[in-house]
Amino acid sequence: QPVLTQSSSASASLGSSVKLTCTLSSGHSRLTIAWHHQQPGKAPRYLMKLERSGNYNKGSGVPDRFSGSSSGADRYLTISNLQSEDEADYYCETWDSDTWVFGGGTKLTVL
Amino acid sequence: QVQLQQSGPGLVKPSQTLSLTCAISGDSVSSNNAAWNWIRQSPSRGLEWLGRTYYRSKWYNDYAISVKSRITINPDTSKNQFSLHLKSVTPDDTAVYYCARNQADIDYWGQGTLVTVSS
Repeated sequence: QPVLTQSSSASASLGSSVKLTCTLSSGHSRLTIAWHHQQPGKAPRYLMKLERSGNYNKGSGVPDRFSGSSSGADRYLTISNLQSEDEADYYCETWDSDTWVFGGGTKLTVL
Repeated sequence: QVQLQQSGPGLVKPSQTLSLTCAISGDSVSSNNAAWNWIRQSPSRGLEWLGRTYYRSKWYNDYAISVKSRITINPDTSKNQFSLHLKSVTPDDTAVYYCARNQADIDYWGQGTLVTVSS
């Protein structure tokens, strides 16, 4: 089954932009992923589906500040004009052969 | 707007069965293009997909290999909900459990239930 690799932490200043990375394991670079974020003490919330092509579809109510892109086995989440409420854990998710897997998550700190 | 409301006990004794229910609003458990999942989260395991149930002219289940011998996920069409049953639990099963919908990716989550396995 696929493995998703994420950096454990990232930080950026209020009002700036940050790009988070999720890397698919060898042999799985074709897969579509999804991004979720989880604010402290809350359930995860869906952000978007992101294809190998770089096409993405955001969930209902997700601000325009969130966008996605792809390059090879890497899937990116870019957050522009960072707000304090963006401080959260960010997880990528994918599925293959009727099995779903998650990355280990990136803890984003807004400075 | 889909909403998922979880219910069930927060404390289960070792060797017993963990049971949780997820009530669906805004969609149907019998939908032909959705599936209904259970996922758990713990500091040691991170987010771990456990399994799902779905209807495509008949009912199907998929389960994670790690829990396949102990898990059952059942739909309840009369109440538009689905349930998780995890038997023979140990303290290692202590986690926050989430129900979730997927159409391809997972797009809606329940609020989460902390389940502690302890005597």
